[in-house]
Amino acid sequence: QKEVEQNSGPLSVPEGAIASLNCTYSDRVSQSFFWYRQYSGKSPELIMSIYSNGDKEDGRFTAQLNKASQYVSLLIRDSQPSDSATYLCAVNIRGGSNYKLTFGKGTLLTVNP
Amino acid sequence: SQTIHQWPATLVQPVGSPLSLECTVEGTSNPNLYWYRQAAGRGLQLLFYSIGIDQISSEVPQNLSASRPQDRQFILSSKKLLLSDSGFYLCAWSSGLSGYTFGSGTRLTVV
Repeated sequence: QKEVEQNSGPLSVPEGAIASLNCTYSDRVSQSFFWYRQYSGKSPELIMSIYSNGDKEDGRFTAQLNKASQYVSLLIRDSQPSDSATYLCAVNIRGGSNYKLTFGKGTLLTVNP
Repeated sequence: SQTIHQWPATLVQPVGSPLSLECTVEGTSNPNLYWYRQAAGRGLQLLFYSIGIDQISSEVPQNLSASRPQDRQFILSSKKLLLSDSGFYLCAWSSGLSGYTFGSGTRLTVV
């Protein structure tokens, strides 16, 4: 069964700290990886995409990918209360002749003022 | 720019009643379209996806169906709702291997 797994959480960090969110995936041929943020009662919002090994930075967010270890992470620097949300890891996994985005169950992050 | 519209936002339906949720995309042609469901405390589950008009693939056997009568229109239906159909239904679109963009979702409660 191909799947995406995340820290069960919840994760609680103080304001200004670094939040680290982790994700592993089982399909070795996956080529594209995404992080979504979902506020309570809202739909998921794409915040980061990464396709190559290494780090990708966008503002306070850094995505890290290690295909050999089948591991992808998201770091949030200088965490703000507005970052409090569920973070979903998503991986494009091949099923038959098509790729479909498969989501982890999400990690709930709370940033305390 | 591309936009995705989904309606209604909230729906309360009795068990055994029919269902029709609609999703439309603007600003792009021939998008890949998806229906996901997010049940309380659970992750996003892919229900259906479509790569073109009348081309629908079902991921999970259930009493739901999907149709794509036009290039940018995707409809989720049921003839008779079950209590277990309650959840947050999300339509999404993509092109190629890019990330998906979600609509605002429909919260369905079956009573």
